[in-house]
Amino acid sequence: EPEVTQTPSHQVTQMGQEVILRCVPISNHLYFYWYRQILGQKVEFLVSFYNNEISEKSEIFDDQFSVERPDGSNFTLKIRSTKLEDSAMYFCASSLAGGKNSPLHFGNGTRLTVT
Amino acid sequence: SQKIEQNSEALNIQEGKTATLTCNYTNYSPAYLQWYRQDPGRGPVFLLLIRENEKEKRKERLKVTFDTTLKQSLFHITASQPADSATYLCALLGFGNEKLTFGTGTRLTIIP
Repeated sequence: EPEVTQTPSHQVTQMGQEVILRCVPISNHLYFYWYRQILGQKVEFLVSFYNNEISEKSEIFDDQFSVERPDGSNFTLKIRSTKLEDSAMYFCASSLAGGKNSPLHFGNGTRLTVT
Repeated sequence: SQKIEQNSEALNIQEGKTATLTCNYTNYSPAYLQWYRQDPGRGPVFLLLIRENEKEKRKERLKVTFDTTLKQSLFHITASQPADSATYLCALLGFGNEKLTFGTGTRLTIIP
């Protein structure tokens, strides 16, 4: 069964550094998402992406964050200047037809540790 | 503010019994409700989707109900097995948007 893959599985970075988290969504899916989960807390929406543009974003997704689908297969999340509070598990997800009609398929996440 | 609450942080159920998990929401008019399973260190895995005009959905040993008057969904696992032990998340989606919002989750343990 096709799956969403995320790399790396674990990223350690110093405060103030830029990180790029990478995702390969399921190939025929049209909707893409990033979520994050701080340890012991709930899964939080960051951003949704459709038709090569952001369709929605949360208040967490400020100017430090950006997303890109550079080549039709990868979907990336960039954090420009990481803060300690960015430490979390970041999940990429994709959906064939959007959450109304089809489930979200999640990857197994990238654990980001900011020191 | 919008809130999605799941009945308890942890629930222990004897193997073979039915586990019932509750999802309550306030200040929200969801069009769609989804249930996911999350194992430690893994991403959520989709289980069931129910629309606001549907009362009940079933899939094998799973059943979901959606009561928009009570603002509540119930998730049942019948004939529970130790392999059903996981955290279960409910998630709501409103009309006209793609922001799937998750509840806090219930950690279910099935005791052999």
